[in-house]
Amino acid sequence: GENVEQHPSTLSVQEGDSAVIKCTYSDSASNYFPWYKQELGKRPQLIIDIRSNVGEKKDQRIAVTLNKTAKHFSLHITETQPEDSAVYFCAASKTGGFKTIFGAGTRLFVKA
Amino acid sequence: DTEVTQTPKHLVMGMTNKKSLKCEQHMGHRAMYWYKQKAKKPPELMFVYSYEKLSINESVPSRFSPECPNSSLLNLHLHALQPEDSALYLCASSQGLDITDTQYFGPGTRLTVL
Repeated sequence: GENVEQHPSTLSVQEGDSAVIKCTYSDSASNYFPWYKQELGKRPQLIIDIRSNVGEKKDQRIAVTLNKTAKHFSLHITETQPEDSAVYFCAASKTGGFKTIFGAGTRLFVKA
Repeated sequence: DTEVTQTPKHLVMGMTNKKSLKCEQHMGHRAMYWYKQKAKKPPELMFVYSYEKLSINESVPSRFSPECPNSSLLNLHLHALQPEDSALYLCASSQGLDITDTQYFGPGTRLTVL
């Protein structure tokens, strides 16, 4: 069945460093890839998304890259800050599909 | 209004109780979703309503009963729940044209079943 693998499960970085989270999807028809940030006790919030017609998208300190051939996409956070500490979920879906497939999540700790 | 709201924020219920969770959005979205999220896990899809009709039921036990009274409201009726049903219940909405529309989540209801 459709699957999204996410790595690492936990990531600890020093404030100011960069953080990279990687996801691999199984369904080559997938064409929409959102990233959600979920702070403890809060809702998942969309932080960035990318569609399969582009290879990279950037929003201030956050960027996402997509490699359709390899079926993987990555989240890059630069100049990390303590408030970036949260669980990050990648996800994938496809036009005409019936549900969004989530990765297992990455717990990011940014140490001050 | 660009938010999805949910009530109540917290709910504690016994296994014989009947309760309801409510979700509301005023973004004109035509698809609404119920997800269940256990600690340290991703959201798990339960139901999808598209244009006020139930389009997906992910084999959810009948003790969970969804209802969509109109395009802005989504309810989840709970009856005879089990302790393992304790979780964060998230509502989400999207434009409704396709599953690849961006989904926006509500703050969730934290449910504890005693």
